[in-house]
Amino acid sequence: GQSLEQPSEVTAVEGAIVQINCTYQTSGFYGLSWYQQHDGGAPTFLSYNALDGLEETGRFSSFLSRSDSYGYLLLQELQMKDSASYFCAVRDGTDKLIFGTGTRLQVFP
Amino acid sequence: DVKVTQSSRYLVKRTGEKVFLECVQDMDHENMFWYRQDPGLGLRLIYFSYDVKMKEKGDIPEGYSVSREKKERFSLILESASTNQTSMYLCASSSKDSGRNSNEQFFGPGTRLTVL
Repeated sequence: GQSLEQPSEVTAVEGAIVQINCTYQTSGFYGLSWYQQHDGGAPTFLSYNALDGLEETGRFSSFLSRSDSYGYLLLQELQMKDSASYFCAVRDGTDKLIFGTGTRLQVFP
Repeated sequence: DVKVTQSSRYLVKRTGEKVFLECVQDMDHENMFWYRQDPGLGLRLIYFSYDVKMKEKGDIPEGYSVSREKKERFSLILESASTNQTSMYLCASSSKDSGRNSNEQFFGPGTRLTVL
């Protein structure tokens, strides 16, 4: 079957760095994406990795290792507004995404 | 500002009713998707569409059907609502290419459906 594994919950304090891991097992691979969803809100796209390595977008970075079927989202200089759920997603060769079950990040003052 | 809109934020229906959830996007996207989201289960794909009048089953299509008569509109139909279809329903769209754009889905605000 196809699956993406990520931790269910992560906690951290303001100003800290947190890493959310994602391992995937899919029949095809055409990119790893990350989405953020605040409570009551819609998921919004954060980042995309098609090739191995690190992609940086401001305080957020995303990493991919295709040989390990692994990626992570790195959030630096955490702010209270970063408290949300984060989903990794893989495009499997069609235009549909397979989503992980999400990681709830709680940032404390 | 790109936008995906859904017809209702909250909906309450009775068991056995026929339910229509509408989704409209203004980005001229080829792909449209319907998901349901339940606590601890993430986003599960119900149906998707690559083009007008085209539909493909997702992971959990049972009890649902869809319609895409126009490019901008994708409707989800619950033929006979049941209590286990109480959930948050999210519509999304994306463009059809081989790169980043097809990984970037734009979501609507969601419809929280309660079936009594």
